[in-house]
Amino acid sequence: NAGVTQTPKFQVLKTGQSMTLQCAQDMNHNSMYWYRQDPGMGLRLIYYSASEGTTDKGEVPNGYNVSRLNKREFSLRLESAAPSQTSVYFCASRGLSTNEKLFFGSGTQLSVL
Amino acid sequence: AQSVTQPDIHITVSEGASLELRCNYSYGATPYLFWYVQSPGQGLQLLLKYFSGDTLVQGIKGFEAEFKRSQSSFNLRKPSVHWSDAAEYFCAVGSGGYNKLIFGAGTRLAVHP
Repeated sequence: NAGVTQTPKFQVLKTGQSMTLQCAQDMNHNSMYWYRQDPGMGLRLIYYSASEGTTDKGEVPNGYNVSRLNKREFSLRLESAAPSQTSVYFCASRGLSTNEKLFFGSGTQLSVL
Repeated sequence: AQSVTQPDIHITVSEGASLELRCNYSYGATPYLFWYVQSPGQGLQLLLKYFSGDTLVQGIKGFEAEFKRSQSSFNLRKPSVHWSDAAEYFCAVGSGGYNKLIFGAGTRLAVHP
């Protein structure tokens, strides 16, 4: 029972470098989400995908792109990393019903120097 | 716009004491309300949720929360805290389908023996 799997767990980038955070879920969930968590600010939604083939912006989408590769996978890309993107990133997923809870991955700690 | 306020950044209680964590929300319609808990280095785990009906909801680990529409509040309570409850607690509000689940900044709970 893997649930939601994120890779990598830790990453250090230099300003201007690019990278992709990977997320996969094995629960056949329709909706997937990317959040960032910063001290004193809770979790903020970056992008979400309500179903395969669709993506929408959340609260803080600038500087990020996403791809819903298939029903299982939802990746987050930083094209040109900035120090302000230093954060902990969480992927989450949930099923079709409105009252289903979010399942979270264990997070990716990203530092941009 | 939706928003969530958790007025207490840090709370310290003694083991065995009662606990109340405050949450106030701003949302025009009837909200979907959630409490999540995050242990260090982990993703978030759902404690309980309110969608409709009985305003007092029971969750896992002995937690409960009460929805008070007149006060726009959804406070989390536990009658007797255990040392293992030390964690960060997040209140969240979502619109229909909660694709844009908005989190509060969190309350960090410390438990003294």
